[in-house]
Amino acid sequence: DTGVSQDPRHKITKRGQNVTFRCDPISEHNRLYWYRQTLGQGPEFLTYFQNEAQLEKSRLLSDRFSAERPKGSFSTLEIQRTEQGDSAMYLCASSLAGQASPLHFGNGTRLTVT
Amino acid sequence: GIQVEQSPPDLILQEGANSTLRCNFSDSVNNLQWFHQNPWGQLINLFYIPSGTKQNGRLSATTVATERYSLLYISSSQTTDSGVYFCAVDPNTGGFKTIFGAGTRLFVKA
Repeated sequence: DTGVSQDPRHKITKRGQNVTFRCDPISEHNRLYWYRQTLGQGPEFLTYFQNEAQLEKSRLLSDRFSAERPKGSFSTLEIQRTEQGDSAMYLCASSLAGQASPLHFGNGTRLTVT
Repeated sequence: GIQVEQSPPDLILQEGANSTLRCNFSDSVNNLQWFHQNPWGQLINLFYIPSGTKQNGRLSATTVATERYSLLYISSSQTTDSGVYFCAVDPNTGGFKTIFGAGTRLFVKA
């Protein structure tokens, strides 16, 4: 069990650029979640996958955001035409399917849009 | 949607003191988790506790689902307990969208 891995740890980009983040979940976990956390706030749910199916998306996930999990393993989160308000920590978590399965989080990707 | 309220928002303790953190939620939930976010930002799952009481070392948690609250007890606090404690719930509306509270920021002084 190597834990949830996220890449990169930090990303600085200019407004208007596109960015893509990657998350590798714990290998046997079939659920994968994306959250966003801004300073002083709790993590905000963005979306989650069960295997390769994206089952729920938050209203926070505007049309500039897209997430994929093509083979039910790793996932990518892309933000197009970044805005300064997108600056945040993007957290990935994974869990086993089933009711009694806690979330395991990665270390996050900190995005700064200048 | 469901509201998750945590109290107190901030807490300063002297090392060795005990504390109780509270989480209230506005609707029925399928499960509830407590997390600790350390000063480096890592979120660690402390308890998965939809109901009842669990203990892990100096930490214990109790959830009373029928009254829509959960408590996290920290005994004999240590400086390494500093960080933010989050309560997170899965609303009983289907799916597995885990909703977090705003957290309790704890600082333990040596």
